[in-house]
Amino acid sequence: GQNIDQPTEMTATEGAIVQINCTYQTSGFNGLFWYQQHAGEAPTFLSYNVLDGLEEKGRFSSFLSRSKGYSYLLLKELQMKDSASYLCAVSPNYGQNFVFGPGTRLSVLP
Amino acid sequence: DAGVTQSPTHLIKTRGQHVTLRCSPISGHKSVSWYQQVLGQGPQFIFQYYEKEERGRGNFPDRFSARQFPNYSSELNVNALLLGDSALYLCASSGGTGATYGYTFGSGTRLTVV
Repeated sequence: GQNIDQPTEMTATEGAIVQINCTYQTSGFNGLFWYQQHAGEAPTFLSYNVLDGLEEKGRFSSFLSRSKGYSYLLLKELQMKDSASYLCAVSPNYGQNFVFGPGTRLSVLP
Repeated sequence: DAGVTQSPTHLIKTRGQHVTLRCSPISGHKSVSWYQQVLGQGPQFIFQYYEKEERGRGNFPDRFSARQFPNYSSELNVNALLLGDSALYLCASSGGTGATYGYTFGSGTRLTVV
């Protein structure tokens, strides 16, 4: 089977750093994606990891450990507009039938 | 450039009815995928089409069907609607079939079945 776990909700303060974890168990692995989704809107692409290590992109970084089936998304210098759901998704094969986690709803407080 | 466009944006249907949802991919994208997102959950894969051929199908009943047209636009059809079909239906387009291409999602169609 395919299973992806993320915390359901997280709360952090404006200007702080938050780490959103994702663990996965899938039949195969061809890459891990993070998407941001504001309420009522479409998911938007944040990052892609296929090799172990850290990928940094501005205030956002994503880490992958394939041996541990683990990834995290790191958000620095949090802003109010970062309040959204963050979706972890794994591509189990070369095709594009991504398996999504349940999403982590992040609330950034002033 | 226009992004992925979906229509309609909102829809209310009665149990047992049929619905057709439409999606136009980004110009030049030949792959279209459909996802169902129930409130509070992550998207679930329904179908992927590439060059008008079905390339993948998720764990959904036969009431769900789709097709892709020569201009790469796509339709998702759902027959005999159930209350549990109420969800946000997302269409995503991509330049290819590999994971490295990633997705660009449309804003979705919010379907409510009453």
